[in-house]
Amino acid sequence: DGGITQSPKYLFRKEGQNVTLSCEQNLNHDAMYWYRQDPGQGLRLIYYSQIVNDFQKGDIAEGYSVSREKKESFPLTVTSAQKNPTAFYLCASSSDRGTEAFFGQGTRLTVV
Amino acid sequence: DAKTTQPNSMESNEEEPVHLPCNHSTISGTDYIHWYRQLPSQGPEYVIHGLTSNVNNRMASLAIAEDRKSSTLILHRATLRDAAVYYCIPSLMDSNYQLIWGAGTKLIIKP
Repeated sequence: DGGITQSPKYLFRKEGQNVTLSCEQNLNHDAMYWYRQDPGQGLRLIYYSQIVNDFQKGDIAEGYSVSREKKESFPLTVTSAQKNPTAFYLCASSSDRGTEAFFGQGTRLTVV
Repeated sequence: DAKTTQPNSMESNEEEPVHLPCNHSTISGTDYIHWYRQLPSQGPEYVIHGLTSNVNNRMASLAIAEDRKSSTLILHRATLRDAAVYYCIPSLMDSNYQLIWGAGTKLIIKP
């Protein structure tokens, strides 16, 4: 079945450590996105990519980095520069801008 | 930036229709309106989207006001599985059609 897969589902990180969240899609979508969601809030865009080897900052990119070396993969690194990284992280993909977006099941990151 | 206004929460009885309102008075003529829903601890799920005319799919109907300042998501016969947070989201041409997420409406379905 086609879809978008995020791993791991739960992740614990010590303060000061970098951590990388995985996002893979087999939908042949060009566009991929990373969002952050805090409790009771909507989603906020961290980074997005519309084509391989290119990505753009979203509204809250500080303390995060991404790469897009393959069409299928869009990993997100939460760096130690992110002051409040504990959150629910969601990855999405779409065939084009403005079309239906497909989401992964999310990764819940907790800093301990 | 275009913003939307939705009720924080709504309640409905099982097997009855549900009308979820959304005000988006500042969107432009080229901005789409998307609806997504999210169950607890899961990723959002696409429901429907439209531009000017009413839209129907297997999940729901979307009624867009003629002046495009508001829209209504219609679930024709709510089930307990429809309990979720529903987001009304403008997709702005000026922002490369990025989705602008608000806090949504929490829909509670009573058996």
